[in-house]
Amino acid sequence: DIQMTQSPSSLSASVGDRVTITCQASQDIINYLNWYQQKPGKAPKLLIYDASNLDTGVPSRFSGSRSGTDFTFTISGLQPEDIATYFCQQYNNVPLTFGGGTKVEIK
Amino acid sequence: EVQLVESGGGLVQPGRSLRLSCAASGFTFDDYGMHWVRQPPGKGLEWVSLITSDSGTVGYADSVRGRFTISRDNAKNSLYLQMNSLRVEDTALYYCAKLHSSGYLGYFDSWGQGTLVTVSS
Repeated sequence: DIQMTQSPSSLSASVGDRVTITCQASQDIINYLNWYQQKPGKAPKLLIYDASNLDTGVPSRFSGSRSGTDFTFTISGLQPEDIATYFCQQYNNVPLTFGGGTKVEIK
Repeated sequence: EVQLVESGGGLVQPGRSLRLSCAASGFTFDDYGMHWVRQPPGKGLEWVSLITSDSGTVGYADSVRGRFTISRDNAKNSLYLQMNSLRVEDTALYYCAKLHSSGYLGYFDSWGQGTLVTVSS
């Protein structure tokens, strides 16, 4: 199984800050990596697919990139409504696997 | 608007069975693969099972293989998860998730709100 190591597990930042979350895959997953946002008590929501493609309607302050087996998710200017837990997910093969999640809070 | 509505969760004793359903609307159900993903209380996401649009391919996480069965009825726009021999560690919020394509690999572009399964004596 492909392991997705996500870090940090939590972070606290100020409004307007740049926030970066990383996911490292245990083997090559090409660009088959997605990012989801989950607000408290809600279902996950797709933000980015295939490492760097923004889903429809997602604000442009969210972005994703890939370097080998390392994937980066960035919020370029944190907003209060971005308070949530973020998960990465690989789909290079079955079983699909998720990172452990990053809880983002406002400082 | 895509809607996925799960039902069938509840409190069940270890070793018993439960059948989850997911009613889909707002899209052509038989054009898309579907998955079940679960989330234990306060924890992360765990993929459970998949089924392609034509039911030709199914797949399971090791933790549920041999106990859970995924199926779909395209005429009823519904997805199912038959869960047998339930264990305490199956306690979770179960989401159905729509895949972006007819296959079985990809991204989940819509999720239901989940149905809670609690396995306890």
